[in-house]
Amino acid sequence: NAGVTQTPKFQVLKTGQSMTLQCAQDMNHNSMYWYRQDPGMGLRLIYYSASEGTTDKGEVPNGYNVSRLNKREFSLRLESAAPSQTSVYFCASQPASRSQETQYFGPGTRLLVL
Amino acid sequence: GDSVTQMEGPVTLSEEAFLTINCTYTATGYPSLFWYVQYPGEGLQLLLKATKADDKGSNKGFEATYRKETTSFHLEKGSVQVSDSAVYFCALSEHGNNRLAFGKGNQVVVIP
Repeated sequence: NAGVTQTPKFQVLKTGQSMTLQCAQDMNHNSMYWYRQDPGMGLRLIYYSASEGTTDKGEVPNGYNVSRLNKREFSLRLESAAPSQTSVYFCASQPASRSQETQYFGPGTRLLVL
Repeated sequence: GDSVTQMEGPVTLSEEAFLTINCTYTATGYPSLFWYVQYPGEGLQLLLKATKADDKGSNKGFEATYRKETTSFHLEKGSVQVSDSAVYFCALSEHGNNRLAFGKGNQVVVIP
């Protein structure tokens, strides 16, 4: 049981390049999330998917797009990377979209945009 | 909007010392409250949670009590170990809202 997996673990991009961060969970969870973590800022929600077929913006969605490919997979795309998007990105999943439910996090993707 | 405030700055203490990390929150309704821990190079994992007022969450010797009257959820451990060195995040989720709002986190360093 792998839980939440993310690929790649580390990526370096040049400004203007595009890339997709992949996330998959094998826990049959309905809800999935993308966060970014920056020093001194905690985690901030980028996008989330309450259930398969739905996506919604979080706190900091500008410059990103997402796709809920199926129940297992939720990808995050940077169309034109900017240095301000240098961060650590975490994917999380949750059994159901209820406030008392625990979110389960992946190991993260470290992204450096030059 | 909903927000979580954690005490400023890293926390450095000796092994077997008492640990307290303060967390206060602002919410319009009745949130669920969480403490997540992040060990070096890893993702976050749930440490403990409480879903209603006066509930006490506990795990691995850590405890936190949901105090509605002071809007607080302070984390405590009576005797820390070197293996407790990590970053600790307080978070809340409002009922009817599936988003987690995180505090900025506290780096805890335990010295042998």
